[in-house]
Amino acid sequence: EAGVTQFPSHSVIEKGQTVTLRCDPISGHDNLYWYRRVMGKEIKFLLHFVKESKQDESGMPNNRFLAERTGGTYSTLKVQPAELEDSGVYFCASSHWTRKDTQYFGPGTRLTVL
Amino acid sequence: RKEVEQDPGPFNVPEGATVAFNCTYSNSASQSFFWYRQDCRKEPKLLMSVYSSGNEDGRFTAQLNRASQYISLLIRDSKLSDSATYLCVVPSGGSYIPTFGRGTSLIVHP
Repeated sequence: EAGVTQFPSHSVIEKGQTVTLRCDPISGHDNLYWYRRVMGKEIKFLLHFVKESKQDESGMPNNRFLAERTGGTYSTLKVQPAELEDSGVYFCASSHWTRKDTQYFGPGTRLTVL
Repeated sequence: RKEVEQDPGPFNVPEGATVAFNCTYSNSASQSFFWYRQDCRKEPKLLMSVYSSGNEDGRFTAQLNRASQYISLLIRDSKLSDSATYLCVVPSGGSYIPTFGRGTSLIVHP
């Protein structure tokens, strides 16, 4: 069974540009989560989808971040315009609806904003 | 008090040693607890879950102390391959939104 995949693995952009990160969860997992780890800090929750609906987006830093999960399959996280402090590793995770607390993580996207 | 606190280490131990890490949490309503392992520049991977008093899986034992609000991870007979960062994760209430600790670094040397 394929795990959670994320694309791209790395992205280097300039301040003010737009970047879109993609996450493909494990097939059949209704729950999809986005997290971010800024250098030197702990992993922080950004938001949670159940199928195509945003269940909790309390961790989104500001309105420059937009997450979507049309069709309830893959998800995208767009940052527009990017700022220096957005640099970090963005992880996606998914879980089955019967075991919400058992999350499987993707390899992450390392975002560098110059 | 931070929601989830861990000693960052590093814990530097020889092969074959027994090592233990603690993690304290502030939310007394938390019901489930997790240890994840994260290798350098990789994603976190679930190592163990703890729902009641404890859980054992081979060389790894996780224990929960609700009264003192901490969980521990014990690794027996350490292997070189155990070198990694161990993340303590505590979901908040019924939402299962996890709060991560900053991780404890373990280095096992020959």
